[in-house]
Amino acid sequence: RKEVEQDPGPFNVPEGATVAFNCTYSNSASQSFFWYRQDCRKEPKLLMSVYSSGNEDGRFTAQLNRASQYISLLIRDSKLSDSATYLCVVIGGGFKTIFGAGTRLFVKA
Amino acid sequence: EAGVAQSPRYKIIEKRQSVAFWCNPISGHATLYWYQQILGQGPKLLIQFQNNGVVDDSQLPKDRFSAERLKGVDSTLKIQPAKLEDSAVYLCASSQTGANQPQHFGDGTRLSIL
Repeated sequence: RKEVEQDPGPFNVPEGATVAFNCTYSNSASQSFFWYRQDCRKEPKLLMSVYSSGNEDGRFTAQLNRASQYISLLIRDSKLSDSATYLCVVIGGGFKTIFGAGTRLFVKA
Repeated sequence: EAGVAQSPRYKIIEKRQSVAFWCNPISGHATLYWYQQILGQGPKLLIQFQNNGVVDDSQLPKDRFSAERLKGVDSTLKIQPAKLEDSAVYLCASSQTGANQPQHFGDGTRLSIL
């Protein structure tokens, strides 16, 4: 089993749709979690940190479920500009950083 | 605030040659990371520095890859000799100290091995 797993997709959704991605992790001692966005041939950019209590930033909501060992990202009212690959990041014991392989999202007009 | 600087942006070499990449992190960021990202995959951590000390290099192929951060600021990553499977984007990132600190990435170096 991979340490961090994501559904590679692609997710094809129409504009205005709500879409959700999950990311599972195997190390129960993992400390911190993030979602990054990566556009084609660009570097990853921080989308949001994931807090234990859940957090929201505009149309984006991130949640952490420690019992089931997954984090989620919800995007509401999808825009064409949301088309990208979404990477989850897990910081484990000893500050070890592990990226998921990413979930590809295509938002269509 | 200036971002993470990397050079070169692109590099093409033949197999068995050597290559070096340079990274200058965001000012004040004590933690520096080198990643390898192969097309279609997520970034894989090669090495993590805290100031000039190595925190994690468990996934660095030490027979051919080396990295240093002598003064705790700039860092170089070297591959010698290169193999075809080293074709990838090499990303440098930096962060403030702490597991809850997000990493900020440079533009990356796209390496092609012929």
